[in-house]
Amino acid sequence: DAGVTQSPTHLIKTRGQQVTLRCSPKSGHDTVSWYQQALGQGPQFIFQYYEEEERQRGNFPDRFSGHQFPNYSSELNVNALLLGDSALYLCASSLGDFQYFGAGTRLSVL
Amino acid sequence: GIQVEQSPPDLILQEGANSTLRCNFSDSVNNLQWFHQNPWGQLINLFYIPSGTKQNGRLSATTVATERYSLLYISSSQTTDSGVYFCAVATGTASKLTFGTGTRLQVTL
Repeated sequence: DAGVTQSPTHLIKTRGQQVTLRCSPKSGHDTVSWYQQALGQGPQFIFQYYEEEERQRGNFPDRFSGHQFPNYSSELNVNALLLGDSALYLCASSLGDFQYFGAGTRLSVL
Repeated sequence: GIQVEQSPPDLILQEGANSTLRCNFSDSVNNLQWFHQNPWGQLINLFYIPSGTKQNGRLSATTVATERYSLLYISSSQTTDSGVYFCAVATGTASKLTFGTGTRLQVTL
């Protein structure tokens, strides 16, 4: 049983560009959450998707958007990248309360 | 929103030593998870423990929900235990996790 898979593992972009990160949840999980982890800090909640709808959102600007597909996989899109968007982006899937995390995508914005 | 504090922020142990990590939270929770983040960034689930006590090998955890704290015990530490330990909580009907600032553990030979 594959766990939560994220792609790509690493990504380098320049300021102003747009990026799309992908997440496949653990088999049987219907809820996907995205977190941003800056260097030296704990992960911060971005948003959560359930039944293809954004169910909850953290304190992130509208430049951060997402999507969930009928097979429960999800994408995180970030527009107009800023240097401060450089971070590890983590996807978590769940069926109920217990959340399982993927290995993350490390985004560097130059 | 809920506040989550972890202590100590940093811990250096010799291999074989025991340690206790603490997580304090400011409101009632219906989800509490402990994670180990390895040097490559992977968050590894250790415990789902909104209340009570659980054990898994050399690790055990206790959450006293009425007093709003949780403890993670590591016995006979090994170098592979090195990394950052996070406590994360969720409240009410919200399932988003709020993470603490972590405890960075280094186990030396």
